Amino acid sequence: DTGVSQDPRHKITKRGQNVTFRCDPISEHNRLYWYRQTLGQGPEFLTYFQNEAQLEKSRLLSDRFSAERPKGSFSTLEIQRTEQGDSAMYLCASSPSTGRLITGYTFGSGTRLTVV
Amino acid sequence: SQQGEEDPQALSIQEGENATMNCSYKTSINNLQWYRQNSGRGLVHLILIRSNEREKHSGRLRVTLDTSKKSSSLLITASRAADTASYFCAAPLTQGGSEKLVFGKGTKLTVNP
Repeated sequence: DTGVSQDPRHKITKRGQNVTFRCDPISEHNRLYWYRQTLGQGPEFLTYFQNEAQLEKSRLLSDRFSAERPKGSFSTLEIQRTEQGDSAMYLCASSPSTGRLITGYTFGSGTRLTVV
Repeated sequence: SQQGEEDPQALSIQEGENATMNCSYKTSINNLQWYRQNSGRGLVHLILIRSNEREKHSGRLRVTLDTSKKSSSLLITASRAADTASYFCAAPLTQGGSEKLVFGKGTKLTVNP
């Protein structure tokens, strides 16, 4: 297992189009997170899965955003009807479940989305 | 909501000098974590310090935690040009059944050769 993989690395899309990103976490990790990062800012939490259950969804995530983790393995993040404000780096991270203690995350390299 | 807030926002030093970055957070935590991000890349976990620890070392990194002041610092000793990156602190936020890390805006470190 070489870590967290994200695909694609870069995506340029026209405003109004739908886009889908994929994340493959470390296989032993049952926790998966999506974050969004804009230039000069820290990562902002979008959503969190424990196995296949989506346990939290940020208010930043409008109804144009949907995330799935159908078998508790890989996850997809879909943005419908993209807007220029959606341009950002989308980061996926995974971590093992260790009870109440939050351990370090392993991040993927991210998907950079540009909406033109 | 931001849990971690780094200071300074940017830091420029010469190779060989030490770099100190500070982080303040808002709520009680069971650990605090530091991450590094090279430009345009994902974040890399550097070090985790638990709430019952006051100091932790890893190679040229030294992290301190003061839970009474809700603050932490990251010291990089004998800096190298390759240390140029953004550094983020992150603190856990637990709400209901959900747990996540909340990141600050980061400190952009430039180490000049």
